Amino acid sequence: GQNIDQPTEMTATEGAIVQINCTYQTSGFNGLFWYQQHAGEAPTFLSYNVLDGLEEKGRFSSFLSRSKGYSYLLLKELQMKDSASYLCAVRYSGGSYIPTFGRGTSLIVHP
Amino acid sequence: DVKVTQSSRYLVKRTGEKVFLECVQDMDHENMFWYRQDPGLGLRLIYFSYDVKMKEKGDIPEGYSVSREKKERFSLILESASTNQTSMYLCASSGGTGANVLTFGAGSRLTVL
Repeated sequence: GQNIDQPTEMTATEGAIVQINCTYQTSGFNGLFWYQQHAGEAPTFLSYNVLDGLEEKGRFSSFLSRSKGYSYLLLKELQMKDSASYLCAVRYSGGSYIPTFGRGTSLIVHP
Repeated sequence: DVKVTQSSRYLVKRTGEKVFLECVQDMDHENMFWYRQDPGLGLRLIYFSYDVKMKEKGDIPEGYSVSREKKERFSLILESASTNQTSMYLCASSGGTGANVLTFGAGSRLTVL
């Protein structure tokens, strides 16, 4: 398997910054996705990284290091509505190119 | 603007029943997928399809089959439901070039008694 690892749960305070890490096997890497999923809802796309570096989208940023098999999602100025699961998914070349998902990180934002 | 629609949000079935889960997308996507999502296990791929009448097994196809007779519709079939198939089922589609981002439906929560 591709062993995509991310923490099970994290907690943070409203207004703070939180970093959610994701590690994966590097062989055949072809892109990494982050999705957000609120309880009882569909996952929605947040970001896509295929090259090394930081991609910024408003309060959310995603970083990738291909050589280290490492990514993080950075959430700034946390809001209560950011309480959700964050799913890391990695696409590999060879086979079907379909992303494989990690188990997700449940983020709880406290007032 | 709903793009991926799953016909049933909640279903309760009995062991041995045949179950159909329907998914329709209006984005003219070539690719469609069925995942199941269980606590602590994340999203696992059951089946996918790259084209009409085409299907490929994912990571956990046992106990499931699929049908894609039209481009916009992808159905998941449980021939004889079992209690271990109680889960949240998510349909997704993707298409075009570039990242091929998945667009998910809202999910169908199936309980098998």
